[in-house]
Order: sequence, then structure tokens, then C-alpha cells
Amino acid sequence: DIQMTQSPSSLSASVGDRVTITCRASQAISSHLAWYQQKPGKVPKLLIYGASTLQLGVPSRFSGSGSGTDFTLTISSLQPEDVATYYCQKYNSAPLTFGGGTKVEI
Amino acid sequence: EVQLGESGGGLVKPGGSLRLSCAGSGFTFSDYTMNWVRQAPGKGLEWVSSISTTSYYIYYADSVKGRFTISRDNAKNSLYLQMDSLRAEDTAMYYCARRWYTPMDIRPFDYWGQGTLVTVSS
Repeated sequence: DIQMTQSPSSLSASVGDRVTITCRASQAISSHLAWYQQKPGKVPKLLIYGASTLQLGVPSRFSGSGSGTDFTLTISSLQPEDVATYYCQKYNSAPLTFGGGTKVEI
Repeated sequence: EVQLGESGGGLVKPGGSLRLSCAGSGFTFSDYTMNWVRQAPGKGLEWVSSISTTSYYIYYADSVKGRFTISRDNAKNSLYLQMDSLRAEDTAMYYCARRWYTPMDIRPFDYWGQGTLVTVSS
């Protein structure tokens, strides 16, 4: 099975900072990579699919890139409401594995 | 408005069984692949199981294979998860989530329910 590895596992940044989270697949998954945001005590929310397509309603400060095995989620200017844990997920075929998560704090 | 609502969680002893349900509304339930995802307290997300629109394709995580059974009833807009031989490590919030899937258009989980908590403890 393909493993999904996220880094870092946590980070602390200041408001306005550019934040980058990486996700690496143990085998190529084309562009079938999604990013989710989970705020404390809340349900996960889809941010990006197809590695780089923003889900409707998601602020443009979020962006995704990559294909194959290496992917990146970028928050161009960190806002207080972005405090959350971010997960990547491969969704091309089962098992639909999630990364371990990256906790973003301010 | 798309809504997914889970029910059926609770406290169960190790070795026991529980059946979770997920009711969908606000969309054509039979058009979507449905899924269960769980999250142990303080831990990350773990995909559990998926079922295709007609129930033809069913997949399980290795951690639940042989113990959990996913099913759906499109006439009732409902998804189910029968959980048998429960273990302490199955303790988690269980979410249902929908997914659009066709051979030409594969999407991830765009709507999630609020979850139902399963606690396995003696």
C-alpha cells in the first residue's frame, strides 16, 4: 500500500507569514491528492483536490502544487482563522490513505 | 443543502458489536460513492471503508477487514457500518463522507457528517 508522509508534523508561524506543508507519497499517485483543514473540534473540510484545484469557497491564500510523489500546500499569508491541522490524502484508489497531519499554530 | 448525519455510536464492551448509520439529504444519494472515516481521540484521520454507488465495489482498511461491513440502501438514502468484534483501538469518532467517482472524474471527500462517537471499553 502507498504511504503518505507529511512534514512537518507541527509548525508555529506569525500572522502574515508564508507557510508551506509538504506531503510525499511512497509511490506515484498522479495528481489525485487532496488537502483538508480540520479546525479544533470541527469536521474536516476539503480545501484542494487534484493537487492544485481550490474547492469552491476556499480563500485564494491557499494553494497546492505537485504531482507524482511530492506535493505542497501553501498558505501565502497566514491568518488567525487558519489555525488548524492539515491533512493530505491520496484518492486515486483504495486504500484512500491520509497523511499524519500538520498542526499549524500562531 | 447537502447534509450527512451519523447515528448509532455509543459505549460497547470489547468483542461487542455496533451498527452505525448515516443519512444523506440535499443531494442524489445514489450518485455518490460513500465512505467511513474515523479519528481516534487526539489522533489523525483514518479511512475505514468505501462503497460504490451500486454496492458493487467495496473496500476496507486492513485494520477493520473481516470485522466491519459497509452497506447502503439508496432507497432510504442511508449508509451503514456494521462493526463486530470491536477492540479498544476502534474507539474513535466515525464520520461518513461522500465522494463523486466516475472513471473520468475522480474526486475526494467533499462533504462530511458531524460524526458519531464509538467507545470500546469494559
